[in-house]
Formats: sequence, C-alpha cells, structure tokens
Amino acid sequence: DQQVKQNSPSLSVQEGRISILNCDYTNSMFDYFLWYKKYPAEGPTFLISISSIKDKNEDGRFTVFLNKSAKHLSLHIVPSQPGDSAVYFCAASAYSGYSTLTFGKGTMLLVSP
Amino acid sequence: DVKVTQSSRYLVKRTGEKVFLECVQDMDHENMFWYRQDPGLGLRLIYFSYDVKMKEKGDIPEGYSVSREKKERFSLILESASTNQTSMYLCATLGQGNNQPQHFGDGTRLSIL
Repeated sequence: DQQVKQNSPSLSVQEGRISILNCDYTNSMFDYFLWYKKYPAEGPTFLISISSIKDKNEDGRFTVFLNKSAKHLSLHIVPSQPGDSAVYFCAASAYSGYSTLTFGKGTMLLVSP
Repeated sequence: DVKVTQSSRYLVKRTGEKVFLECVQDMDHENMFWYRQDPGLGLRLIYFSYDVKMKEKGDIPEGYSVSREKKERFSLILESASTNQTSMYLCATLGQGNNQPQHFGDGTRLSIL
C-alpha cells in the first residue's frame, strides 16, 4: 500500500526547458512534504519542502506546488541544467510524535544538452 | 552544515555473517534513522531512534537490529546476513522542531555473497 506515489519512473528534458516532477499521496494526515535529489553512490540531498498550510514554495530554480484537495504535489525546475540529472524522491511526513518520512519510489530525471 | 558519516562506502560480507554498519553525526540531533534503498522501491525505513538507548521499528525491521549507546552514533546490525539484504543503506538525522528535513550520509553499498 503505497502512500506516496511517483508514477513516472523517468523523465527526459532538454537543457533550458522546464522539468516537472509529480507526486501523489493518499494519507490525508501528511502535513509536510519534501523533495530530495540523489546522485548515484551518494546520499539524498534535501532540495525544498512545503508545509500543508502553503500551496507554493520557491527557492531559486526550484518551486514546489501543493494541491491538498487533489493530494498532489509537483516540483518545477526552471531552467533545467545537465547537472540536475539525478533521481528525485518525494517524501511526506505526518507528525505523530515521531518525525518519520514516507518516500516515493523516485523519478530519474535526465537533462540533455 | 550537518555532517552524517557512515563508516564504510562499500562492504562485502558473506551469508550468515553478523554485520555492523555505523553512523556518526556531529550536530547533536536527537533523531536518527536507518533506511535501505533498492531500485524501483525507493527508500524504506528499517529502524529509527529518538533518543539514546531508544529505538522504534520502521517498515521493514525483520532481520535487523540497532544500537544507540551514545547520542552521536547509531548502529545497524544484520544479525545473520542474507543475500536479500544486499542493498544501499542510508543513515539520516533530524533535529528537534517542526518541519525540518532529514539529513543523509553518503550511504554504504553492502553486498552479501
């Protein structure tokens, strides 16, 4: 029973264009959402997060949008760069005394020059 | 900057061996986590600890145990290694307070032969 779903295993985008990575969740108790980026043979690196009280958060080229009614969030990267090529994980947290994260299976982004 | 150090980047062990994976953090964080990452499965939580000598099972604790004798160190133990425990193991930490990201180490690629 997957509570966090990333339905696209991979995405290919040209350099300079927009990358849009999508994530859906089923648990209505989730109130904090994060995106991590992971290169091969390295640990995940935190990118950006959003609280459920907001619908948008921006940090440089990265913007996360949250649609609570649809239980959907997306990560926009504009403009995409070859160095953005990595696996992107969506994660969610429902505070219950412990701050554990539930991760999606990841989307591999390939940005070609 | 948070520094999470995992003792080995690559490790090869034999079936039936007892295996220790070590994780050390330098940020005085209360919470520490162990995940495994497998292709197509994302990150899955094995165990976590919210204080010294405290531990909680995650989603896939079978075949693993943990130890947290000091705040800065969290060890994952494979009691009797099996080939299906070949994986990338990732340690993460989290400080106190709401809506903070977990910070990851670079991972240990463990192969069980």
